[in-house]
Amino acid sequence: EDQVTQSPEALRLQEGESSSLNCSYTVSGLRGLFWYRQDPGKGPEFLFTLYSAGEEKEKERLKATLTKKESFLHITAPKPEDSATYLCAVLQDGSEKLVFGKGTKLTVNP
Amino acid sequence: ETGVTQTPRHLVMGMTNKKSLKCEQHLGHNAMYWYKQSAKKPLELMFVYSLEERVENNSVPSRFSPECPNSSHLFLHLHTLQPEDSALYLCASSQERTELWGYTFGSGTRLTVV
Repeated sequence: EDQVTQSPEALRLQEGESSSLNCSYTVSGLRGLFWYRQDPGKGPEFLFTLYSAGEEKEKERLKATLTKKESFLHITAPKPEDSATYLCAVLQDGSEKLVFGKGTKLTVNP
Repeated sequence: ETGVTQTPRHLVMGMTNKKSLKCEQHLGHNAMYWYKQSAKKPLELMFVYSLEERVENNSVPSRFSPECPNSSHLFLHLHTLQPEDSALYLCASSQERTELWGYTFGSGTRLTVV
C-alpha cells in the first residue's frame, strides 16, 4: 500500500486558471510533509515543509496547506513557467527516510 | 546550479561495463543520498551517508556500490547492470540526516543500460 498518493497524475490548465494538487498520506505520526518542484532534466527543487495540521505556506503563486490526512498545493493564476512535476514527500516519526509520491505533472498553456 | 553537481549528465553503458557516477557538494552539508527515479514510480532511496559513514542501504543489489571518501563527494560504482537499471540517478544532500528544511538535489545522471 502506497503511503503517499498524489492526484491527479497529470493536470492541464490554461494560463490564469487556478487549481489544486492533492497529496494524501497514510503514515501515522507525521514529522513533516515536503513539496518539491521538478523540471524536465533536472533534480527536484525544494518548495515547502509543513509540520502540523492547519499550517499554510506561500511562495509566489503557490500555497501549500496541510490537514491530518492530506496536503493541497494551490496554484493561483498559473503561468506557463509553473509547468513542472510537483512531488510530495513525507517524513514519519521515528524514521529518517523521506517517502515520495509519484508526482503530478502540471502543464500550463499560454 | 543548485550547489550539488552530478557527472556525467548522461551515460550509456553495456551490461558488462563498469562505470561510476560522481556527486559533489560544497554546501557544508553532512548527509548525502543516492536516489533512483524511474518513470511512473516514486523516488526510491538507495543509500544514505552521514559524516562519510553509510547509515542506510535500502536493499539495493550489490551491482551498485557507493563510496563516500569525504563529506563533499559521493560516488556510485556500477557493474554488470541490467536494462531495468536504466533510470535517472539523483544525488542529494542535507545539513543533517533528519533534515526538515528539505534536501538539495543535483540534476541527476540519466543512465541507459543496453
